[in-house]
Amino acid sequence: GIQVEQSPPDLILQEGANSTLRCNFSDSVNNLQWFHQNPWGQLINLFYIPSGTKQNGRLSATTVATERYSLLYISSSQTTDSGVYFCAGTPSYSGNTGKLIFGQGTTLQVKP
Amino acid sequence: SQTIHQWPATLVQPVGSPLSLECTVEGTSNPNLYWYRQAAGRGLQLLFYSVGIGQISSEVPQNLSASRPQDRQFILSSKKLLLSDSGFYLCAWSTQGGNEQFFGPGTRLTVL
Repeated sequence: GIQVEQSPPDLILQEGANSTLRCNFSDSVNNLQWFHQNPWGQLINLFYIPSGTKQNGRLSATTVATERYSLLYISSSQTTDSGVYFCAGTPSYSGNTGKLIFGQGTTLQVKP
Repeated sequence: SQTIHQWPATLVQPVGSPLSLECTVEGTSNPNLYWYRQAAGRGLQLLFYSVGIGQISSEVPQNLSASRPQDRQFILSSKKLLLSDSGFYLCAWSTQGGNEQFFGPGTRLTVL
């Protein structure tokens, strides 16, 4: 099956720093999404980004579908950005089922 | 707007006991529905998905089963729980065609 690799696995930042999280897929995917899991376990939708670039406040994401990777940028990080960030996508061979395959996540800690 | 509910929020069950977790979606019709499980410190794994009433697809062989008795209701069950069934169970929905997914708050299950 398809493999989803996220890097780095762990990241510690000082408040105000910028960071880039990466997600690589071993095969073509559709419906690429980025999530933030808060301390209570809730998955918060950050971006639905099958291709191209989107921005939402201090966060932005870029997906290069032809090269099977996506990047999540966090600028001017805040302590509330701490948590686990997941990327996920639907393998192209899965058709319209929408089944998401998740990476193992990047655990971000932002220190004040 | 659409909302997704899961209950119970937490559950502690003895080995060998039955299980029933419920997920309901409001504000949409004929959604795709999904059950995922997250083991401690890991990414999410898809367990079941459904594209319509009574239509269930299983992704991994296991001790669990799923049912969809109504359009916006998805139930995860087991006849006899195993220790390995412990984890965080999340329900999700998407529109037909399997685009962006939205997750419920999850149920944390501990099997003792």
